[in-house]
Amino acid sequence: EAGVTQFPSHSVIEKGQTVTLRCDPISGHDNLYWYRRVMGKEIKFLLHFVKESKQDESGMPNNRFLAERTGGTYSTLKVQPAELEDSGVYFCASRQQGQETQYFGPGTRLLVL
Amino acid sequence: AQSVTQPDIHITVSEGASLELRCNYSYGATPYLFWYVQSPGQGLQLLLKYFSGDTLVQGIKGFEAEFKRSQSSFNLRKPSVHWSDAAEYFCAVANTRNDMRFGAGTRLTVKP
Repeated sequence: EAGVTQFPSHSVIEKGQTVTLRCDPISGHDNLYWYRRVMGKEIKFLLHFVKESKQDESGMPNNRFLAERTGGTYSTLKVQPAELEDSGVYFCASRQQGQETQYFGPGTRLLVL
Repeated sequence: AQSVTQPDIHITVSEGASLELRCNYSYGATPYLFWYVQSPGQGLQLLLKYFSGDTLVQGIKGFEAEFKRSQSSFNLRKPSVHWSDAAEYFCAVANTRNDMRFGAGTRLTVKP
């Protein structure tokens, strides 16, 4: 069974540009989560989808971040326009409904210059 | 609000020595507790988890952790560390809605 995959693995962009991160959860997992780790800090929750609906987006830092999960399969996280403080590692995780464990992807390392 | 504290930012141990990584949590009820490991260039891998029952849980790669309610702790242990265990370790707590909160991580260096 394939795990959670994320694309791209790395992204280097300039301040003001737009970047879109993609997450493909484990097949059949209705719950999808986005997290972010800024350099040296803890991994912080961004938002949670249940199928295509946003269950909790309390961790989204501001309106420059837009997450979507059309069709309830893969999800995208767009940052527009990117700022220097958006640099970090963005993790995606998925969880099967009724189970407690979240399975994480390898992360996307974003560097905003 | 739930929170997780990993007091040690960086730990260095010799190969073959024992290891204990500390984790303290703050939560109003019995939480779900997890330890994840991130090796260089890799994603987060689940080492072990505690939901209920036996407070000593066994995980992969020879790791174990003990839930101590009185101390609000969930420390990770390994009796003999291998060079391949060098990585960053994250403790996490989740509530019944599966909102997960992570500690800041402990980086483990293994000396030959």
